[in-house]
Formats: sequence, structure tokens, C-alpha cells
Amino acid sequence: DVKVTQSSRYLVKRTGEKVFLECVQDMDHENMFWYRQDPGLGLRLIYFSYDVKMKEKGDIPEGYSVSREKKERFSLILESASTNQTSMYLCASSLRSDSYNSPLHFGNGTRLTVT
Amino acid sequence: GQNIDQPTEMTATEGAIVQINCTYQTSGFNGLFWYQQHAGEAPTFLSYNVLDGLEEKGRFSSFLSRSKGYSYLLLKELQMKDSASYLCAVREGNYQLIWGAGTKLIIKP
Repeated sequence: DVKVTQSSRYLVKRTGEKVFLECVQDMDHENMFWYRQDPGLGLRLIYFSYDVKMKEKGDIPEGYSVSREKKERFSLILESASTNQTSMYLCASSLRSDSYNSPLHFGNGTRLTVT
Repeated sequence: GQNIDQPTEMTATEGAIVQINCTYQTSGFNGLFWYQQHAGEAPTFLSYNVLDGLEEKGRFSSFLSRSKGYSYLLLKELQMKDSASYLCAVREGNYQLIWGAGTKLIIKP
């Protein structure tokens, strides 16, 4: 079974802090994604990566950056946390892009609260 | 523009059948996914449809009509553990999935 592990289940940070969310997958997947999930909204893509050191902006990249130095690890960085970044953050991975039927495998999520 | 619509909430009775609809308008189409998400947990994959018709997988079936931009997830013999949110997502290009807001399904005894 694919396992996607997010380093923290719950985080509380202060406004202005730099925040790191870590995600590791163990199935040699090429693609990795960071989403945020808010009540009443669909999953919104922040950033994704289709290869080591490659990154692409999603729908809502403002205020975030990412790093993918190794294939199995994809980090999300909040450069200066703000209260509107309070949300559930979900990491996901999938096989290479031409496998259209390849589903996303999600981590258990990190619930971030910025005060 | 891109849009995926699902009902916000549905209620059904244990042992019954429920159909959750999803309509979509996207600029591209490389398949439609259904995911299940229990409260506080990660979404898990249920089904993928890329051709018109019905795909059956145990108690769950998924239907697609590309010409109508329409899909549904059919759950039979409902169990209490089926209480969850059901997410519809369309693969628009190589990477991007466009997500609906999800349908919260409440099962009553």
C-alpha cells in the first residue's frame, strides 16, 4: 500500500512565523501535490511537482513556496504565516502524469492554526 | 470556466440505496474520479471513469456521461460506515484535478 506521511497532524503557529510542512511518500511516485481544504470549498491546489527539483504553481500559490530536493519528499513553506492560512493541508502523490487513471494517494493532513 | 457541482448534503437510511450526482464543465477531460473522505481523515480513492457507462465495484458503482458532463456515484445496501463526504474530481490535463466541494452523506439507522 502507498503510504504518504505528513510530519504533523496539528500545528499552531503565530502570525509572521515561517512554517514548514513536510510530506514523504514511499512508493517512488513522480508526482507530488500540496492542497488546502476549507469547509464548503473543493480541494485547492497550492503547488505540485512532477520531478525532483521541479515545481509548478497551482491555483493559490501566493504566500507559499515548496521544495523537492529528493523524490520522496515534498515540503510546503509558509514564508510568513497569516491567519487566512489557517486550514487543513493535504499532501498527495501519484504515478507519472501519463497514467491518467492513476489516483492521488493522500496523507492524513495537517490542521494548521495561525493565531 | 471550470466548474464542478455536487449537492452539499444528503441523508439516507441504512440498507437503502443513494445516488450522488456530479455535473462538470471543464476545458479538458481525461477522466473523473470519486473519493471518499471520513471526517478528519484523508480522501481515499473509490473509482475512475473515462468512458461512458457504468463501472461496478462491489456495493459502489459509478456512471459517466461525457456528452452531458454528468456522473453519479451509486451506493447500495448502505451501512453506517458509509457516512462520509464524497468528492468528485475531473482530470482536466496531465496533472490538474478540478474538485467539487464534496457531498456530505448522513446515514440514519
